[in-house]
Amino acid sequence: SQTIHQWPATLVQPVGSPLSLECTVEGTSNPNLYWYRQAAGRGLQLLFYSVGIGQISSEVPQNLSASRPQDRQFILSSKKLLLSDSGFYLCAWSTSGGRKTQYFGPGTRLLVL
Amino acid sequence: AQKITQTQPGMFVQEKEAVTLDCTYDTSDPSYGLFWYKQPSSGEMIFLIYQGSYDQQNATEGRYSLNFQKARKSANLVISASQLGDSAMYFCALAYGGATNKLIFGTGTLLAVQP
Repeated sequence: SQTIHQWPATLVQPVGSPLSLECTVEGTSNPNLYWYRQAAGRGLQLLFYSVGIGQISSEVPQNLSASRPQDRQFILSSKKLLLSDSGFYLCAWSTSGGRKTQYFGPGTRLLVL
Repeated sequence: AQKITQTQPGMFVQEKEAVTLDCTYDTSDPSYGLFWYKQPSSGEMIFLIYQGSYDQQNATEGRYSLNFQKARKSANLVISASQLGDSAMYFCALAYGGATNKLIFGTGTLLAVQP
């Protein structure tokens, strides 16, 4: 069976500090990978998606970047965090192709102070 | 452009009763998918049910069913025999973008099941 991991679970960072969130998937090959952000009391907003190693697409302009150095690893980064980067970050995977179910990781709660 | 609308910020239901959570959508894609997810207070997103735009029958998964009305562009979730553990946020989502399989989410409905 497939599993998806995210770490860390919780992170408190000062404004201006760097960020690295990691997501890994087990039990599948060549998945589509996704990063979402959920602000408090809001729905999910798609930030980045990837259909293969090194292939990253950004959905919204922002202070963040993403990378996919390995088939089942997806990393969300920032060089300098802003207060507005606070939120709940969720990674998801799906099999390739359209209208496939996305399965989510446990998420990372980020608080920027 | 794609759009998902959930107009019920919060709902109450008595235990063992049925409840309907509303979702309307708009898309220019001829082929699309609709999903419902549950988010308990722990934050995890749990997949509940899927409906394809060309599926002839409404989807069902245990106590969950999807009332899909294509002409009205609605995809309401029906939960039968509500349980206390059903208390959570519920999100409707629309799949678009072809093979990239992107999702756009609604703002969610907070369901509270009362004993």
